Amino acid sequence: NAGVTQTPKFQVLKTGQSMTLQCAQDMNHNSMYWYRQDPGMGLRLIYYSASEGTTDKGEVPNGYNVSRLNKREFSLRLESAAPSQTSVYFCAAPGSTDTQYFGPGTRLTVL
Amino acid sequence: ELKVEQNPLFLSMQEEKNYTIYCNYSTTSDRLYWYRQDPGKSLESLFVLLSNGAVKQEGRLMASLDTKARLSTLHITAAVHDLSATYFCAVASTSGTYKYIFGTGTRLKVLA
Repeated sequence: NAGVTQTPKFQVLKTGQSMTLQCAQDMNHNSMYWYRQDPGMGLRLIYYSASEGTTDKGEVPNGYNVSRLNKREFSLRLESAAPSQTSVYFCAAPGSTDTQYFGPGTRLTVL
Repeated sequence: ELKVEQNPLFLSMQEEKNYTIYCNYSTTSDRLYWYRQDPGKSLESLFVLLSNGAVKQEGRLMASLDTKARLSTLHITAAVHDLSATYFCAVASTSGTYKYIFGTGTRLKVLA
């Protein structure tokens, strides 16, 4: 997980509550990504940011918003959490070898 | 739309046996990645394959890429228990901004 940090590591929400997942990278790369991982579904791209100030939808953007605050930070917000958003969320950024480096993940449960 | 399929989804194998995991993808790409994930952990990069015919090896794992067939393989030689994990392949879409599309993963269990 070198270079990518995420907070929090665990979170429990009630339906309708909001929260923001924070991600930061120190690899000085332009691109950053948010994924969710569900059993049997692999990783699905929620949103990505090609550079500071730009964001684009991925495969499953509904129910989420993102902010690319600066080159280092990319946050994911759930405005009104739903049980279907129970998942493990990973932030990622490319490194010098072109592959993606992942944060440690946020395990979110929505009751 | 770029789609990535892995098979098998589950693989239970005996130690010292060989096996291959397959990763097929639907559109042109010459950038393919393999990752390993241990239970409850994040993903760790294993291999980066950036051209047709690329082959990378690390210990008992060897990955290869055939861009014409749109196929990558991850070959396991003489499996050991420590290789038990879930393995993902991912392909980078080269249309516009890079997006990485992941396969559903192969859960490997090596039995002692």
